[in-house]
Amino acid sequence: DTEVTQTPKHLVMGMTNKKSLKCEQHMGHRAMYWYKQKAKKPPELMFVYSYEKLSINESVPSRFSPECPNSSLLNLHLHALQPEDSALYLCASSQDRGRGNTGELFFGEGSRLTVL
Amino acid sequence: GNSVTQMEGPVTLSEEAFLTINCTYTATGYPSLFWYVQYPGEGLQLLLKATKADDKGSNKGFEATYRKETTSFHLEKGSVQVSDSAVYFCALSDRDTGRRALTFGSGTRLQVQP
Repeated sequence: DTEVTQTPKHLVMGMTNKKSLKCEQHMGHRAMYWYKQKAKKPPELMFVYSYEKLSINESVPSRFSPECPNSSLLNLHLHALQPEDSALYLCASSQDRGRGNTGELFFGEGSRLTVL
Repeated sequence: GNSVTQMEGPVTLSEEAFLTINCTYTATGYPSLFWYVQYPGEGLQLLLKATKADDKGSNKGFEATYRKETTSFHLEKGSVQVSDSAVYFCALSDRDTGRRALTFGSGTRLQVQP
């Protein structure tokens, strides 16, 4: 069982809708990530939060808005999306940088988004 | 910059065949190396990892050895099962840079036939 929980598992939305994807972890990790994965492709990094602050934004369009309310939660707010944004959105978490940190990421099962 | 190169798939094998999936990397620092597996309709699961040269990661019959001299981390399994059918991603994490994220290879789809 994964220790990173993502909701919802499936989401269908229109281009004018506003929706959110949610991610939760209780491993005490202080880094959290959003990845986007298209079919038959590897995950692409979108955002990284470190200690609840945004540390990496991979030039993601502003219709995707991340939020990290606390160290256990990560949200991705969606507004005015396009059909090409349909994909599997993966959340992940990792330990702090430092001694003993191997750099391993722990992934959730993903939220499959369809934009009509 | 960092990069990971995997062999093209799909790889189609019969049950009990030997599996090798090649992975080579380029990194500016001294990376940790990982193999992740993705079953149909699911997220990524860590299969195995190695953090320094000559380390061997192993799990569920899969093995990979961190070869610094050839910058490789090839995945092997002696006898595959139908349940091993999935997409396998090689990845690296460069702990020596400020970048906190995995660099993934393109993925290799494995299909095991009964």
